[in-house]
Amino acid sequence: AQKITQTQPGMFVQEKEAVTLDCTYDTSDPSYGLFWYKQPSSGEMIFLIYQGSYDQQNATEGRYSLNFQKARKSANLVISASQLGDSAMYFCAMSLTQGGSEKLVFGKGTKLTVNP
Amino acid sequence: EPEVTQTPSHQVTQMGQEVILRCVPISNHLYFYWYRQILGQKVEFLVSFYNNEISEKSEIFDDQFSVERPDGSNFTLKIRSTKLEDSAMYFCASGFVAGGEETQYFGPGTRLLVL
Repeated sequence: AQKITQTQPGMFVQEKEAVTLDCTYDTSDPSYGLFWYKQPSSGEMIFLIYQGSYDQQNATEGRYSLNFQKARKSANLVISASQLGDSAMYFCAMSLTQGGSEKLVFGKGTKLTVNP
Repeated sequence: EPEVTQTPSHQVTQMGQEVILRCVPISNHLYFYWYRQILGQKVEFLVSFYNNEISEKSEIFDDQFSVERPDGSNFTLKIRSTKLEDSAMYFCASGFVAGGEETQYFGPGTRLLVL
């Protein structure tokens, strides 16, 4: 069965430092996508970054990068130069191709706190 | 920048009542989804919709739930007879798949409280 595991319930980082949020996944499907979303206390889900299973290079979006290690089945999110506004829940998710629809399976999330 | 919108932002209803949650997906997207998140828990897939029909639904999406795309813009989730355990944040999402690239953007959510 497809599964996403986020082993860090909470993480703390000092402002301006980098932080890595862990995500491992389990699937036997060769074609999948990996997503990270940010959920601030206001509740909305903000798309951050996407990595396809066939992508050769790690995805980057501004201060966000995805450390994709296919053999280890890991897709860690790296946030560089943390800001106070980065404090939020972060969810890793995997999409599975199912006849054209791409439902997402989510992990339980990591609560990131950025300290001044 | 285009975004998914949802109405209402909050809804309080009595157990047994029908509710309709509304979503306007991003205009050029082809895939539409509903997810829910019970307070403090992870986001769970409910249903996906493509080409005017349900592509896949989870075991949560029982006969009390239905989805519709009544016109070219709106995408609705109806819960016929709400239960206490339906209290959750409901997210609509839309996305496309092109050239190996996927997107799936979420709306701001509707917080449903069933009393």
